[in-house]
Amino acid sequence: GAGVSQTPSNKVTEKGKYVELRCDPISGHTALYWYRQSLGQGPEFLIYFQGTGAADDSGLPNDRFFAVRPEGSVSTLKIQRTERGDSAVYLCASSPTRMTLSGANVLTFGAGSRLTVL
Amino acid sequence: DAKTTQPPSMDCAEGRAANLPCNHSTISGNEYVYWYRQIHSQGPQYIIHGLKNNETNEMASLIITEDRKSSTLILPHATLRDTAVYYCIVRLSSSNTGKLIFGQGTTLQVKP
Repeated sequence: GAGVSQTPSNKVTEKGKYVELRCDPISGHTALYWYRQSLGQGPEFLIYFQGTGAADDSGLPNDRFFAVRPEGSVSTLKIQRTERGDSAVYLCASSPTRMTLSGANVLTFGAGSRLTVL
Repeated sequence: DAKTTQPPSMDCAEGRAANLPCNHSTISGNEYVYWYRQIHSQGPQYIIHGLKNNETNEMASLIITEDRKSSTLILPHATLRDTAVYYCIVRLSSSNTGKLIFGQGTTLQVKP
């Protein structure tokens, strides 16, 4: 597609429920990133995929968070047993490759999925 | 990746140049300086990046000091639509992951 698409744009759930957030990257982009952004803070890195595999999941806060990218395109971020502290905007980004000789690593971000846990 | 320091907020008059500073005193020789901005309710947007030479594109100019310990993003004629949070990020070009680490950024308010 023309840009990174994230669905849903807004999700309200209750504490303890399971949530899935979807990201459709730009067609042909091999790298995909998930970030979380709390109010007034910069985006916080969660996980990075190169193709189908998670190359770096060091930012996932705990084992309630999991992400998949089974065919190397669409990715789903899954949150189990949601807590009020999980409320944030979840941002997805994609890039053509993990690095280039010019050092360019231009990430294109989606508009985010706003998660509210009541 | 090296840490960056930015002022939390700045104001600029519409039509004037906005100069946003960034300190990255621990930058190493093969680390690039990137600038992104985030307009309210949108995802971050790439602006420009550089290694040691000054760079210019249709959005902005990037001035990097000779010792590379600081840089300035220049928006030559700021408009109200440039009101956003601006992030300065330093990243190793040969890093085996593509992730960018965002700090708090500078909130630029362009005033009429």
